[in-house]
Amino acid sequence: QVQLVESGGGVVQPGRSLRLSCAASGFTFKVYGMHWVRQVPGKGLEWVAFISYDGNNKYYVDSVKGRFSISRDNSKNTLYLQMNNLRSEDTAVYYCAGGVSHFDYWGQGTLVTVSS
Amino acid sequence: DIVMTQSPDSLAVSLGERATINCKSSQSVLYSSNNKNYLAWYQQKPGQPPKLLIYWASTRESGVPDRFSGSGSGTDFTLTISSLQAEDVAVYYCQQYYTTPPMYTFGQGTKLDIK
Repeated sequence: QVQLVESGGGVVQPGRSLRLSCAASGFTFKVYGMHWVRQVPGKGLEWVAFISYDGNNKYYVDSVKGRFSISRDNSKNTLYLQMNNLRSEDTAVYYCAGGVSHFDYWGQGTLVTVSS
Repeated sequence: DIVMTQSPDSLAVSLGERATINCKSSQSVLYSSNNKNYLAWYQQKPGQPPKLLIYWASTRESGVPDRFSGSGSGTDFTLTISSLQAEDVAVYYCQQYYTTPPMYTFGQGTKLDIK
């Protein structure tokens, strides 16, 4: 069955960096567009970034442009999110998700806490 | 930016009764090139990731019970649960997809409980 397993979350100080990973299995990863979506605990969902199936197209929500970078390694069935210059408002559960116009598959999420 | 507004923010419905959640987009999500409404609905239970229920406004995802249905076009959409079951207690989100450039926006969520 489809599995998306995120890792790399944790507690980090403001201004520091963190890289999230998402290991995919159970579907043909290399043909799927992939996303990161975040959710402040107890709050709503916010789309963060998208990468096309071949990695050639990347899009971001305005609040993370220039700080976050999405990438993928289709040979390893893995999605990444490099997060630089983290701010307190980036504190959230980060989900990886697969799909293009909608999100067919979701991981369980990894919690990122930005705090001094 | 496209804004998605759900109503109500919360509702309580008796078991076996109908539940209706509305979602309004600040601009049309109907694309004339393929006549598709890029509007999806998700269910999220506590401690779990969201689960896709409906896409293209009215297409039920495989495995989703047929008591869930979606309707609407352009800017106004509805998720209907025809006969509420206990396992349907959750927060429901609508989501739109804007193609150029790709941008995705969720509604604020509607919390559904049993009356």
